[in-house]
Amino acid sequence: DQQVKQNSPSLSVQEGRISILNCDYTNSMFDYFLWYKKYPAEGPTFLISISSIKDKNEDGRFTVFLNKSAKHLSLHIVPSQPGDSAVYFCAASDTDKLIFGTGTRLQVFP
Amino acid sequence: GAVVSQHPSRVICKSGTSVKIECRSLDFQATTMFWYRQFPKKSLMLMATSNEGSKATYEQGVEKDKFLINHASLTLSTLTVTSAHPEDSSFYICSAREGIESYNSPLHFGNGTRLTVT
Repeated sequence: DQQVKQNSPSLSVQEGRISILNCDYTNSMFDYFLWYKKYPAEGPTFLISISSIKDKNEDGRFTVFLNKSAKHLSLHIVPSQPGDSAVYFCAASDTDKLIFGTGTRLQVFP
Repeated sequence: GAVVSQHPSRVICKSGTSVKIECRSLDFQATTMFWYRQFPKKSLMLMATSNEGSKATYEQGVEKDKFLINHASLTLSTLTVTSAHPEDSSFYICSAREGIESYNSPLHFGNGTRLTVT
């Protein structure tokens, strides 16, 4: 039972354009959401987070949107850069645990 | 920033042997550490929550006698894969939460350990 889903396993975007990564969840008790970025053979690094009391959080080129009624969140990266190429995981928590999605591999090409 | 060091980064062992993986928080105290396992093209699956000075809490389906976790100090947690099987081959990642911050604090991750059991 996958409580956090990233239905797009991969995404390819041209440099300078917007990258939109999507994430859906099923557990309405989740109240905090995070995005992590992961390079091969490395652990994930924290990118940005959002509390369920908000619907948007922005940090530089990264913006996370939360739609609680749809149980959907998205990560926008604009403008996309080649260095953004990595696997992006969304994660959700309601207690002490983080539940991760399956990840989306983003490739930003010149 | 906070750093979590995981060692070794790669290990190859024979079936039936045991392997120990260390996870250290280098510049902060971690009362709670988490162990994840990543299968190819799948999510990071939480295996267990390790609390300093007490027994680890294992997720459903994770064999506690096979995956021994010890969190002896505020900066070190170890995962020992006992009597390793080829099916145990995977990428294991530890993470730590700094101090006693709220559960919403981001986790700091180690770089993972690629275990191959032959």
